[in-house]
Amino acid sequence: GAGVSQSPSNKVTEKGKDVELRCDPISGHTALYWYRQRLGQGLEFLIYFQGNSAPDKSGLPSDRFSAERTGESVSTLTIQRTQQEDSAVYLCASSLMAGVANTIYFGEGSWLTVV
Amino acid sequence: AQKITQTQPGMFVQEKEAVTLDCTYDTSDPSYGLFWYKQPSSGEMIFLIYQGSYDQQNATEGRYSLNFQKARKSANLVISASQLGDSAMYFCAMRANAGGTSYGKLTFGQGTILTVHP
Repeated sequence: GAGVSQSPSNKVTEKGKDVELRCDPISGHTALYWYRQRLGQGLEFLIYFQGNSAPDKSGLPSDRFSAERTGESVSTLTIQRTQQEDSAVYLCASSLMAGVANTIYFGEGSWLTVV
Repeated sequence: AQKITQTQPGMFVQEKEAVTLDCTYDTSDPSYGLFWYKQPSSGEMIFLIYQGSYDQQNATEGRYSLNFQKARKSANLVISASQLGDSAMYFCAMRANAGGTSYGKLTFGQGTILTVHP
């Protein structure tokens, strides 16, 4: 597709349930990122994939969070046993490569509400 | 570690006037990139402008320009001829070389809410 595509766009889930958020990066982009944005706040880095290299998981807040990426395509962010503090927008982004000058393009986000 | 600081939580500007949004950064890496993004109320993150640490000239993209002062570690965004549609949250972000291993993530500031008055 033309841009980064995320689904679902909105998700309401009960506390304790697991959720999966999907990201389809721009075709040909080798680098993929997940960020979290709580209401009225900046973006928190979660995880980064670059080609076949080991992902940078340094931003994952707890072991309830995990992410996978199949080759250089779709990625899934999974949150297990959701908590109310997980409510946020989860933004996926991609870039052609991981170099300093490569612009990172964002999807429209998945709005997660844990009730 | 890298850090981005945006000290203006909110800014107001009259339509058709220019406005400067402040951004300072901190990194020990000699090679880095600085980015500005716009986030309207719809939530999407829109890339505006990029400045590389080795670029000799300030970046410009239409009505957006970046006032890059390397010695002061500042990368202020200047929006000329403000329009009502410029009302949004603006984020400054940085991406550093990190020793050539993982270029990885953008580090974001906390953002500045810009309101353009008619």
